[in-house]
Amino acid sequence: ETGVTQTPRHLVMGMTNKKSLKCEQHLGHNAMYWYKQSAKKPLELMFVYSLEERVENNSVPSRFSPECPNSSHLFLHLHTLQPEDSALYLCASSQALTNTGELFFGEGSRLTVL
Amino acid sequence: AQSVTQLGSHVSVSEGALVLLRCNYSSSVPPYLFWYVQYPNQGLQLLLKYTSAATLVKGINGFEAEFKKSETSFHLTKPSAHMSDAAEYFCAVSATTSGTYKYIFGTGTRLKVLA
Repeated sequence: ETGVTQTPRHLVMGMTNKKSLKCEQHLGHNAMYWYKQSAKKPLELMFVYSLEERVENNSVPSRFSPECPNSSHLFLHLHTLQPEDSALYLCASSQALTNTGELFFGEGSRLTVL
Repeated sequence: AQSVTQLGSHVSVSEGALVLLRCNYSSSVPPYLFWYVQYPNQGLQLLLKYTSAATLVKGINGFEAEFKKSETSFHLTKPSAHMSDAAEYFCAVSATTSGTYKYIFGTGTRLKVLA
């Protein structure tokens, strides 16, 4: 496999459920990102990891909990979400935070909270 | 600080017509600029990037963009639109503060191609 892979592609959950989104990159990159894309809103950066260390947390509610066990994998753990959290969640990677290279995106996980 | 402004959230062109999507940026340091395309239910895919080499950048699918420092612009063009170009396009700027590059995205422009 190549590129950035996200699973699941679609997820429907109730407000009391706990679920996780998974991202895996096969590019040998050192930086990984979670973005939230909602209808009619700009792309929102949620979290940034560099070499498994969280370097940015953009005032994201604690019901979203990221985990980066190694430089190839990134998770977003979800619990007690709200309907307004329904969105497309995009994972991305880049070579390094100190590098000018582009972001490589996965295809996204479409989340619907009922 | 950096920012990106995309003029026009929706643009419609006829098939075969010129595509022009506008992007203006603000950056206190030399920027790197990108255009991404997003097809329905997919992630963002890089179309092209400017990294301080040639000011006219050619990308995939016949797109190109010109960096104009005096106008702080990085508009995306394609001479002849195809139906398959219908998608959402995002301009992004990346610049370093204290050695770490941060990406700022525009709000996107949805391109509709009319038969």
